[in-house]
Amino acid sequence: SQKIEQNSEALNIQEGKTATLTCNYTNYSPAYLQWYRQDPGRGPVFLLLIRENEKEKRKERLKVTFDTTLKQSLFHITASQPADSATYLCALDLLGYSSASKIIFGSGTRLSIRP
Amino acid sequence: DTGVSQDPRHKITKRGQNVTFRCDPISEHNRLYWYRQTLGQGPEFLTYFQNEAQLEKSRLLSDRFSAERPKGSFSTLEIQRTEQGDSAMYLCASSFEGLYEQYFGPGTRLTVT
Repeated sequence: SQKIEQNSEALNIQEGKTATLTCNYTNYSPAYLQWYRQDPGRGPVFLLLIRENEKEKRKERLKVTFDTTLKQSLFHITASQPADSATYLCALDLLGYSSASKIIFGSGTRLSIRP
Repeated sequence: DTGVSQDPRHKITKRGQNVTFRCDPISEHNRLYWYRQTLGQGPEFLTYFQNEAQLEKSRLLSDRFSAERPKGSFSTLEIQRTEQGDSAMYLCASSFEGLYEQYFGPGTRLTVT
């Protein structure tokens, strides 16, 4: 069965540094991968999507890479701020190029940015 | 606000009781999803609708769970004969066909005592 692993349950870094979160998957070749942010007691919020034929995607201070050979995605937040503290979830589609239907989520990495 | 809304936000019930949750998706979205999330885990897919048709159900969804989307707009998720293991956050999300990102509601937190 498909399996997604996010590198660690928690990551603590100092404000201003770059946070790097890892998402590894096995037993599948997704057509795209998504990253979401989730704050305590709230639903996830979509951040970025990267397709299998894209190596890198950027949005403001966020950068996502997708290596289909390594079956890995890296999510970077540059110039991190305490407001970036949240849980970040990686999600893979399970039905390929058709429109979004079923996606599976990793368990998330809880990021804390200390001032 | 035209985001996804869910009602109630919190529900405490006794084991064996039935509960029903409601989700109102973003109005132009024709796809609607239900997920369950427990502490420290990511959301687990339960079921999804395209318009009023329920197109997929997870094997996690036992016979005690049923979901409807009668007119292709709002959806309800019912859990019959609740068990303590049903305690979780139930999340609803919607998307527009052709777009991959999903928009989540705030969730309904269920506690079964």
